[in-house]
Amino acid sequence: DGGITQSPKYLFRKEGQNVTLSCEQNLNHDAMYWYRQDPGQGLRLIYYSQIVNDFQKGDIAEGYSVSREKKESFPLTVTSAQKNPTAFYLCASSRWGADNEQFFGPGTRLTVL
Amino acid sequence: AQSVTQLGSHVSVSEGALVLLRCNYSSSVPPYLFWYVQYPNQGLQLLLKYTTGATLVKGINGFEAEFKKSETSFHLTKPSAHMSDAAEYFCAVTNAGGTSYGKLTFGQGTILTVHP
Repeated sequence: DGGITQSPKYLFRKEGQNVTLSCEQNLNHDAMYWYRQDPGQGLRLIYYSQIVNDFQKGDIAEGYSVSREKKESFPLTVTSAQKNPTAFYLCASSRWGADNEQFFGPGTRLTVL
Repeated sequence: AQSVTQLGSHVSVSEGALVLLRCNYSSSVPPYLFWYVQYPNQGLQLLLKYTTGATLVKGINGFEAEFKKSETSFHLTKPSAHMSDAAEYFCAVTNAGGTSYGKLTFGQGTILTVHP
């Protein structure tokens, strides 16, 4: 059963701690994406990757880092430099190409206390 | 640069009534347009997309949208609302070329409420 998994569903961290969000896909997609969702602001692109070992900054990359060592995996680290990290984080994947649908995972809700 | 504006952050309809969710885009090159739906605390699911060809696009769950280049619009409609349509809807745009190639820009979202 193909799809995208994100774990954990809910995550709590203390201020000043780095935290890594997991994203795995078994759709054999080349491209993967991380979005941040805040109420009333839609989705904003954090990072994206077109191919293994390559990734690009999106619109709000400051305070975040990623890696793409395997085609199936695209973990996102929220660092202590991110000033307002509490949000809903969504991972997506697609075949590379502008007309291709992005498939989304179920999301991780991060709360920084 | 590309952008999307969804008119109305909240839309409320009665069950059986017409659903109309408005989306206007800005793009310097021919756009590719998408509508996604999100149920509470879940990811997004594609409803429909326009890339090329027929400007009236039919999607899942009885939704459709019409690409109007002259109005830079891609409004989403459904003739008869069902209770299960209650969700948040996002319009998104990307381009066939340029620096925005393959990168989706989303609107702010419209929450649809359906009353019995």
